Amino acid sequence: DIVMTQSPDSLAVSLGERATINCKSSQSVLYSSNNKNYLAWYQQKPGQPPKLLIYWASTRESGVPDRFSGSGSGTDFTLTISSLQAEDVAVYYCQQFHSIPPVTFGGGTKVEIK
Amino acid sequence: EVQLVQSGAEVKKPGESLRISCKASGYSFISYWIGWVRQMPGKGLEWMGTIYPGDSDTRYSPSFQGQVTISADKSIGTAYLQWGSLKASDTAMYYCARPNHYGSAREPFDVWGQGTMVTVSS
Repeated sequence: DIVMTQSPDSLAVSLGERATINCKSSQSVLYSSNNKNYLAWYQQKPGQPPKLLIYWASTRESGVPDRFSGSGSGTDFTLTISSLQAEDVAVYYCQQFHSIPPVTFGGGTKVEIK
Repeated sequence: EVQLVQSGAEVKKPGESLRISCKASGYSFISYWIGWVRQMPGKGLEWMGTIYPGDSDTRYSPSFQGQVTISADKSIGTAYLQWGSLKASDTAMYYCARPNHYGSAREPFDVWGQGTMVTVSS
C-alpha cells in the first residue's frame, strides 16, 4: 500500500495569512504514461462529507476559490491557502489514487484561526 | 443534479447483520465506479472498496476484504455495503462516493453521499 503522510497535524493561521499543508507519499504517484500525479486534496468541515478541492495535484475543482492551490510531483505535495478566510476552517486530506486497491488518504491536517 | 443519497442512521447490537444503501441519481449509474469510505469517530478517512455497477467488478482494501461485502443493483441505481456480523469497532460514519470521470476507478471522488452513521453497541 502507498502510505500518505501529512504534516503538520494541525496549524493555526491568522485571517488573511497563508496556510501550507504538506503531503508525502511512500511511493511516487506520478504515472509516467500521461505525466499526471494521481493526488487529490479534500476539505472536510464538521458534520459534512469531504469536498474535492484539487486533483492531478494542481487542478482546481470547478467552483473552488483560487486562494486554494496545489503543487508538487512524485512523492512530495503541498496544498496552499493563500489568504485564509474564516470559512476555510476545516480538516484537509490528501489522497492518492495511483495504486488501487487500496486508495489511501493522509491522516488529515486541522486548520484553525489564530 | 448528480446526487448520492444514503440510507439513515442505524443502531445495532454486536453480531447483528446490516446493509446500508447509496442511491444514485442524475447520471448513468452503470458507467461510474462507486466507492465506500469509513470515518471512525474523530478519525480520518479510510477507503474500503469500490464497485463498477456495469459489470459488478469489485475491489476491496486488504483491510476490509472479508469483513464487508459491496454490491450494486443496477436496476434501481443503488449500491450497498453489507456486514454479516457487526462488531463494536464497526461504529463509524460510512460515505459512498463517485469518481469524477466515468469508467475509471483511478479518479478522485467529486460526488459524495451525506453519510450513514452506524452505531454498534450492546
